Amino acid sequence: EDQVTQSPEALRLQEGESSSLNCSYTVSGLRGLFWYRQDPGKGPEFLFTLYSAGEEKEKERLKATLTKKESFLHITAPKPEDSATYLCAVQPPRAASKLTFGTGTRLQVTL
Amino acid sequence: NAGVTQTPKFQVLKTGQSMTLQCAQDMNHNSMYWYRQDPGMGLRLIYYSASEGTTDKGEVPNGYNVSRLNKREFSLRLESAAPSQTSVYFCASSEVSGSNYGYTFGSGTRLTVV
Repeated sequence: EDQVTQSPEALRLQEGESSSLNCSYTVSGLRGLFWYRQDPGKGPEFLFTLYSAGEEKEKERLKATLTKKESFLHITAPKPEDSATYLCAVQPPRAASKLTFGTGTRLQVTL
Repeated sequence: NAGVTQTPKFQVLKTGQSMTLQCAQDMNHNSMYWYRQDPGMGLRLIYYSASEGTTDKGEVPNGYNVSRLNKREFSLRLESAAPSQTSVYFCASSEVSGSNYGYTFGSGTRLTVV
């Protein structure tokens, strides 16, 4: 059974204080790993897809990396508008539509 | 650009009542999905439709039915609501089934069953 564990559950940062969110996964072969951002009362918003170990993708202050067992979402010099819940999901190779989501990391960035 | 539109946004049902959650997308996507999100649990797939005319069960299909009405619309029906179905329901769509370009989600329907 595919499993996704995200840590920490919640993270509070001051503006400009860089940090990383972790997504550990167990899946029999990985077709893709997804990162989403979810604001309160809204649906998740797609950020990145990573396909193979060593791959990195960046978007503004966010950089996602992937190893064979986990993915990191690095947040550099965060701003209050980066406050959200960040979700990770894995996609198995033979059931591409059946993503397994983690429970998310709730990030709060304060002034 | 509307994206994925879900109605209603909020609903309270009594146990045993039925209702249909509506979802429509305007991006000409082939695949559509229904998820539920509960506190402390990740998003869980209820049903999906890889293309118009097809539907398949996800992880938690019991108590639900779906209809892919056309390419744009995918509805979720609760025939006899139970308190365990209290949740936030999200509809999503993607260009193709399991697209690596990510899914576009609606803003959700918050359902309470009393």
